Amino acid sequence: GAVVSQHPSWVICKSGTSVKIECRSLDFQATTMFWYRQFPKQSLMLMATSNEGSKATYEQGVEKDKFLINHASLTLSTLTVTSAHPEDSSFYICSARVTAGEAFFGQGTRLTVV
Amino acid sequence: SQQGEEDPQALSIQEGENATMNCSYKTSINNLQWYRQNSGRGLVHLILIRSNEREKHSGRLRVTLDTSKKSSSLLITASRAADTASYFCAPTSGTYKYIFGTGTRLKVLA
Repeated sequence: GAVVSQHPSWVICKSGTSVKIECRSLDFQATTMFWYRQFPKQSLMLMATSNEGSKATYEQGVEKDKFLINHASLTLSTLTVTSAHPEDSSFYICSARVTAGEAFFGQGTRLTVV
Repeated sequence: SQQGEEDPQALSIQEGENATMNCSYKTSINNLQWYRQNSGRGLVHLILIRSNEREKHSGRLRVTLDTSKKSSSLLITASRAADTASYFCAPTSGTYKYIFGTGTRLKVLA
């Protein structure tokens, strides 16, 4: 299957700082990328959908000013957690999809805010 | 977009046994995909079955799809300890959002 690379795989940051997570499709061009959040022993919660060159579409209850998503190219999307707080600590996963095809997932980023 | 619901929520079997998990959904689909998630990792795509297919195999995996019942099943034969993971289904129907259920947590005991 296609490869989606997510970086970093883990990050620890201080409360109040911002953290950027990158999601790259390595061997295909992704028309759409998705960002999910997952708490321990729970399912993935879709946060937002981004299409290259346009603004992301956020799911209900997700603060767009808190979670900034940029999809500047067909192979790269970034999620920036702004002014992070301990409650933002979670596992963040991206996925990339070719139109009408399978979605492939990154390995996830574990964010810990201290 | 629609959400798949996996059943059972948890399954514990002995190594070598078969594991069966089910997925139900509510509206018509174009295809349905199964994913595996090992603890603390991303999702790994296992298999995609299209709405006009009834059964598909990939190694030790066998997926069935019954569109009349709006359900799918994933069978893992001759399970191994390495199959221990959570399994999610993702029914898709034109829109592209994948909304995941709570998954089936499979534990294979050595």
